[in-house]
Amino acid sequence: AQKITQTQPGMFVQEKEAVTLDCTYDTSDQSYGLFWYKQPSSGEMIFLIYQGSYDEQNATEGRYSLNFQKARKSANLVISASQLGDSAMYFCAMREVDTGRRALTFGSGTRLQVQP
Amino acid sequence: DGGITQSPKYLFRKEGQNVTLSCEQNLNHDAMYWYRQDPGQGLRLIYYSQIVNDFQKGDIAEGYSVSREKKESFPLTVTSAQKNPTAFYLCASSTLSDGRNSPLHFGNGTRLTVT
Repeated sequence: AQKITQTQPGMFVQEKEAVTLDCTYDTSDQSYGLFWYKQPSSGEMIFLIYQGSYDEQNATEGRYSLNFQKARKSANLVISASQLGDSAMYFCAMREVDTGRRALTFGSGTRLQVQP
Repeated sequence: DGGITQSPKYLFRKEGQNVTLSCEQNLNHDAMYWYRQDPGQGLRLIYYSQIVNDFQKGDIAEGYSVSREKKESFPLTVTSAQKNPTAFYLCASSTLSDGRNSPLHFGNGTRLTVT
């Protein structure tokens, strides 16, 4: 089974509107972390936001927030007030702490296009 | 400025040749990683290292080799045994002290084309 599933290969949003990018995960670990990265066309990976499995509050970083629903194993990224510069690939990733492996497992990504 | 340097940005090789991709970091991070990305896909883990002179295979290690002789450096060799080496390769690093919440910091990647 896929550990990280991103079911939206592509999304369109109008400038200044909010958009939600979906992410579901699969793990039997009790302690894990969830990350979102942005990859512009230039290729670099930019860390956006983190949510820990024990965090009770949803994480927020500026225009980014993470809608964490632990029972549903979902960690959706919400971008408010979309800007043209938000057009990029977005990846959800997970670290399973109980395994001791520090590496992240990534989903297949969602390509977001912001339209003027 | 601290960061991760991958060189070169573009690399071209003939089939059957080994090629080494460079990755250097000055973030004083203990852990380093190599990922492969194919067009339109996510990142897949090749190798990772959490301490000097030690490394572990990731999910797609076949046809690749690494070394970790210095904390700052984690070069990746793509051998002739790798059947489909053309891809975008990303190196990353992270601390080990933050528990589960330390993000990976990435270099700008090397795009390898083998013909």
